[in-house]
Amino acid sequence: GEDVEQSLFLSVREGDSSVINCTYTDSSSTYLYWYKQEPGAGLQLLTYIFSNMDMKQDQRLTVLLNKKDKHLSLRIADTQTGDSAIYFCAEGAGSYQLTFGKGTKLSVIP
Amino acid sequence: DADVTQTPRNRITKTGKRIMLECSQTKGHDRMYWYRQDPGLGLRLIYYSFDVKDINKGEISDGYSVSRQAQAKFSLSLESAIPNQTALYFCATSDSGRSSNQPQHFGDGTRLSIL
Repeated sequence: GEDVEQSLFLSVREGDSSVINCTYTDSSSTYLYWYKQEPGAGLQLLTYIFSNMDMKQDQRLTVLLNKKDKHLSLRIADTQTGDSAIYFCAEGAGSYQLTFGKGTKLSVIP
Repeated sequence: DADVTQTPRNRITKTGKRIMLECSQTKGHDRMYWYRQDPGLGLRLIYYSFDVKDINKGEISDGYSVSRQAQAKFSLSLESAIPNQTALYFCATSDSGRSSNQPQHFGDGTRLSIL
């Protein structure tokens, strides 16, 4: 079945860039999503990218997609302490279901 | 996401008790989902519903049941709770429009502890 893999932890210093990586297996994926989960809260949709795009930029967030390698990344520029959270990658193939990775816990060191 | 409301936010109960978690939404979405989140395991789908008359099992439905009382309401029941059902439970919704871009929108979760 479909699988989405992410590394579990990432630590960065405040002001540096963070890059969170994700790989997926479903070649029929049409949209890929990044969600953010802050402590005690649900998953908040951060951004998404359509599978025929290579890059999408939204303020401090840059999403890169390498469809050939089935690799997705989320870059956060000028990382702040408020960016500390768990980030989930998810892929959807136009059906009801999203397949989520296990989440990457980003810790920002002041 | 305040448009998806889960109650209660926290619940502690004993093994063998019946528990109901409720979810309501004001987004007007047809599709609703229940997930559980466990440390290191990510999100796992329990049940999902495309509309009021439609209920489908997800990846881990054993020990759970659901009821879609209305388009806006989807409840999850644990008929006889057991300790390994201790987890964080999320309700989510999505649109059923023609676009294949159908992100899911989540409630803030219910933290359930079974002693």
